Formats: sequence, C-alpha cells, structure tokens
Amino acid sequence: ENVLTQSPGTLSLSPGDRATLSCRASQSVSSNYLAWYQQKPGQAPRLLIYGASSRATGIPDRFSGSGSGTDFTLSISRLEPEDFAVYYCQQYGSSPLTFGGGTKVEIK
Amino acid sequence: QVQLQESGPGLVKPSETLSLTCTVSGGSISSYSWSWIRQPPGKGLDWIGSVSYSGSTNYSPSLKSRVTISRDTSNNQLSLTLTSVTAADTAVYYCARVTGSGNLGYWGQGILVTVSS
Repeated sequence: ENVLTQSPGTLSLSPGDRATLSCRASQSVSSNYLAWYQQKPGQAPRLLIYGASSRATGIPDRFSGSGSGTDFTLSISRLEPEDFAVYYCQQYGSSPLTFGGGTKVEIK
Repeated sequence: QVQLQESGPGLVKPSETLSLTCTVSGGSISSYSWSWIRQPPGKGLDWIGSVSYSGSTNYSPSLKSRVTISRDTSNNQLSLTLTSVTAADTAVYYCARVTGSGNLGYWGQGILVTVSS
C-alpha cells in the first residue's frame, strides 16, 4: 500500500502567518490523486483540495495545494482563527485508499 | 444538498458483530460510490472500504476478512458489518460519498462505537 507521511506533526503559528504542510508518499501517487482534508474537534473531515491542487467548492483561496509524484504540499497563505485544526492528506490513486497521520496546526 | 447520517449501537461486546447504517438524503446512492472510514479516539483516519455505484466492493486488506459493505437502494442506505470485534475496533465510524476519482467530498457526522464488555 502507498504509505503517506505528513510533516511536521505539529505546527505552532500565529494568526496571519503562512502555513506549509508536507505529505510524502512511499510510491508515486497515480494521476496526482491526492486530497487534503481539514478536521476540527468533534467534526467530520472536510475536503479542501483534490487532484493535488484543485480547491473544493467553497474553499477560500488562501488554501492551495501543490506537488506531484511523491511530494505534496498544502499551503495556507494567511492563517485565520478558524484554520487552526488538524489536516490530513489522502491518496486515491491506488487501492487501498490511504491517509497520512495528520498535521496539527495550533495557535502559538 | 447531500446529507449522510450514521446510525447503530454505540456499544458492542468483544467478539460480537458491529452493524452500522448510513442513511443518505439529497441523492440516490445508486449514482455514486461510497466509503466507510473510521477514526480511533485521538488518532488518524483509516479507510475501511467502498461500494461503487455498480455495487462492487473494495476493502482494506487489514479488515477484509471481517468486513462487509452493502447497500439498500430501496431505502437509500448503506451498511457496514464488522465481525469478531475487539477493543481495537473502538472508533468513530464515518460514511462518505466518493466524489471525482476517489476523494471524499461529503461526510456524515460520524458515530462513536465502543467495544467493551
């Protein structure tokens, strides 16, 4: 299976800062089928990015995704208070579908 | 607007069978593929398996021997059955609709299932 490793585990930043989250795959992700999700406490995950770089419906443009092959990045240009959450990457290019372990973005 | 709602017992005894239902509104389950995902308390997300719009299924290798995902098109519901549960199966269980080529665009609120005697 394609193992996804996210780094860092925790990111301590202030509102207004830029956040850069990494997701590295153990094998090339077919067709760049890589998604990012945001999860807040007590809530279900929410799709942010699909196809490595396409924003899902209603997602603000401060969220952007990039990368290809085995290395992917989620960037948040200027952190808003509501952006402090856990972020997961997921690959759907091969079965089984797999998720990374998550990056927690916390208030510094 | 698509809505998904998981339901089922919140407590299951070890060695017994966990059975959950996901009721979908705002769209026909026959038109899309669907997945079940779980999240142990304080941990990350694990994909359990999927059922396609055609009814074919695909399961996580680690759960394949114990899991069944099916759908009831007349009631617009999905179901998840997991046999021989242990404490390691304690988790929040989510159903989700597959959008595009495999990302998960719509999620239910999740249901916590605890395995304990």
